[in-house]
Amino acid sequence: DGGITQSPKYLFRKEGQNVTLSCEQNLNHDAMYWYRQDPGQGLRLIYYSQIVNDFQKGDIAEGYSVSREKKESFPLTVTSAQKNPTAFYLCASSIQGAQYNEQFFGPGTRLTVL
Amino acid sequence: GNSVTQMEGPVTLSEEAFLTINCTYTATGYPSLFWYVQYPGEGLQLLLKATKADDKGSNKGFEATYRKETTSFHLEKGSVQVSDSAVYFCALPLRTGANNLFFGTGTRLTVIP
Repeated sequence: DGGITQSPKYLFRKEGQNVTLSCEQNLNHDAMYWYRQDPGQGLRLIYYSQIVNDFQKGDIAEGYSVSREKKESFPLTVTSAQKNPTAFYLCASSIQGAQYNEQFFGPGTRLTVL
Repeated sequence: GNSVTQMEGPVTLSEEAFLTINCTYTATGYPSLFWYVQYPGEGLQLLLKATKADDKGSNKGFEATYRKETTSFHLEKGSVQVSDSAVYFCALPLRTGANNLFFGTGTRLTVIP
């Protein structure tokens, strides 16, 4: 089955530690995205990538970093510079340039910083 | 860029009640419009979409009509079930042809037996 996987589902880290969230897709999509969701709030775009080896900052990129070395993978690192990293993180992908722009989402990773 | 304004929740309904969640958009041209649903602890799933004006998207008993006269894309269901309890997001592309989507703030629906 094609889809997007995120791991782990729950992640706990101590304050001051960097942590990397995994996102893998087998949909052969060119574009991938990372969103942050806080309780009772909508989605905010952190980073997106439209092609391998290229990515752009979203609305709240400070304190985060990404890489796109492979089409299938778009890991997100939450660095110690992120002031309030506890949140639900969602990865998504889409066909680049598609007329209908539909995005497909993974199940999410809930990060808690202790 | 394009944007949507979504009805604030939370919304609480009894089972078999009629549901409407309002969504209005501001856009250049006529971009595709989407409704996504998020069940507790999960990612978002596409619920339905409409790709041009006057189109009606439908899925799982939910419907939404792309109305250019009122710039609206309201989500409706005639008879909700407990299993419909979730957060619903309206969305559209940031710009014509863009892959990036603008999501509404979400509306939490709780259906009680």
